[in-house]
Amino acid sequence: GESVGLHLPTLSVQEGDNSIINCAYSNSASDYFIWYKQESGKGPQFIIDIRSNMDKRQGQRVTVLLNKTVKHLSLQIAATQPGDSAVYFCAETSGATNKLIFGTGTLLAVQP
Amino acid sequence: GAVVSQHPSWVICKSGTSVKIECRSLDFQATTMFWYRQFPKQSLMLMATSNEGSKATYEQGVEKDKFLINHASLTLSTLTVTSAHPEDSSFYICSARDVGLGGTHSEQYFGPGTRLTVT
Repeated sequence: GESVGLHLPTLSVQEGDNSIINCAYSNSASDYFIWYKQESGKGPQFIIDIRSNMDKRQGQRVTVLLNKTVKHLSLQIAATQPGDSAVYFCAETSGATNKLIFGTGTLLAVQP
Repeated sequence: GAVVSQHPSWVICKSGTSVKIECRSLDFQATTMFWYRQFPKQSLMLMATSNEGSKATYEQGVEKDKFLINHASLTLSTLTVTSAHPEDSSFYICSARDVGLGGTHSEQYFGPGTRLTVT
């Protein structure tokens, strides 16, 4: 879906805590999902991806959960660090278009 | 590997002039590159899909005569903002897909972005 609004939702966590960032995607035909991290003034950086035939995928300190029933995606970051502070975007795509559609984004602020 | 560069990283131009932004895949070949625009505190919006050797495909609402895209080789796509106006000021980001990976969902690698300010 298109991005709307002039401000980003913000999640503020303490260093060392776990973070959960949520995303509602728009297209039930989407079959591939990616989480990106974007630091100020930089391009998006790939974090983790998941295909629609899975409901969970784990990486290093990150886990992505997919709930196709309610079209919901989440990113869990374990032991959040100050370097994790950034804007996080989910993106969806399908084999039919191969176009990435980005969600609205969440600003993660890690407090020392 | 899989590095995408953009040039320039930032540019200031006067209203009415044209600006060209380059997107290069440095260590892989890309038949398809994508151009996005991002306004402050907003998400990335896909502007167009750039295909090597053929015309770009523009998203609805994006003026193809204003945002000229050329994908002359497997490692270079350019976006030219013609007759730029202050409302074109934005962060322009490109991405490239690696032809070598194949499959249904080849990963897109993003460039660092170009900050355009039109005065």
